[in-house]
Amino acid sequence: QVQMVESGGGVVQPGRSLRLSCAASGFTFSKYALHWVRQAPGKGLEWVAVMSYDGNSKNYADSVKGRFTISRDNSKNTLYLQMNSLRAEDTAVYYCARDGSRVVPAAIGCDYWGQGTLVTVSS
Amino acid sequence: DIVMTQSPLSLPVTPGEPASISCRSSQSLLHSNGYKYLDWYMQKPGQSPQLLIYLGSTRASGVPDRFSGSGSGTNFTLKISRVEVEDVGVYYCMQALQTPLTFGPGTKVDIK
Repeated sequence: QVQMVESGGGVVQPGRSLRLSCAASGFTFSKYALHWVRQAPGKGLEWVAVMSYDGNSKNYADSVKGRFTISRDNSKNTLYLQMNSLRAEDTAVYYCARDGSRVVPAAIGCDYWGQGTLVTVSS
Repeated sequence: DIVMTQSPLSLPVTPGEPASISCRSSQSLLHSNGYKYLDWYMQKPGQSPQLLIYLGSTRASGVPDRFSGSGSGTNFTLKISRVEVEDVGVYYCMQALQTPLTFGPGTKVDIK
């Protein structure tokens, strides 16, 4: 069955960096676009970034553009999120999610989600 | 950016009764290909979100048929024909037409 497992979260000081990973299994990883979506404590969902199936297209939320970088390694079935210059407002549970399509936007939605990894930015 | 709004933000429901959530977008979500790029997600307490509806009205795999989605270019509705206790959670609409993808604020559904 499809599984997506995030890792790499933790407590980090403002201005520092962190890299999240999302290990996927149970499907042909290289055929799907992949997202990062976050949820601040007690808040709603916020889309962060997406990468196309082949890595050739990526898009970001304005709130993270220039600070976060999404990448993938199709040989390792793993999605990454490099987060630099972290701010207190980046504190959230970060979910990776598979899109049912190869490219985004104009796609069909996040059909599988991981359990999330908590990132806390605090001094 | 496309702004998504939902109403109500809180919805107490009675098991066995119908329920309805409205979602509006600041721009039409109707693509030139004829599809409406609007998704519905449900997040049960303590769980990850799950996809209920995509392309405005298509149920995702495994979603019970008591859930249905409908709508025009900017006005969408999620209906639950007969609410069950397991339907408690927060429901989000999300536009998938253009980046940045944007979610509505969420509608919290709980039992009266």
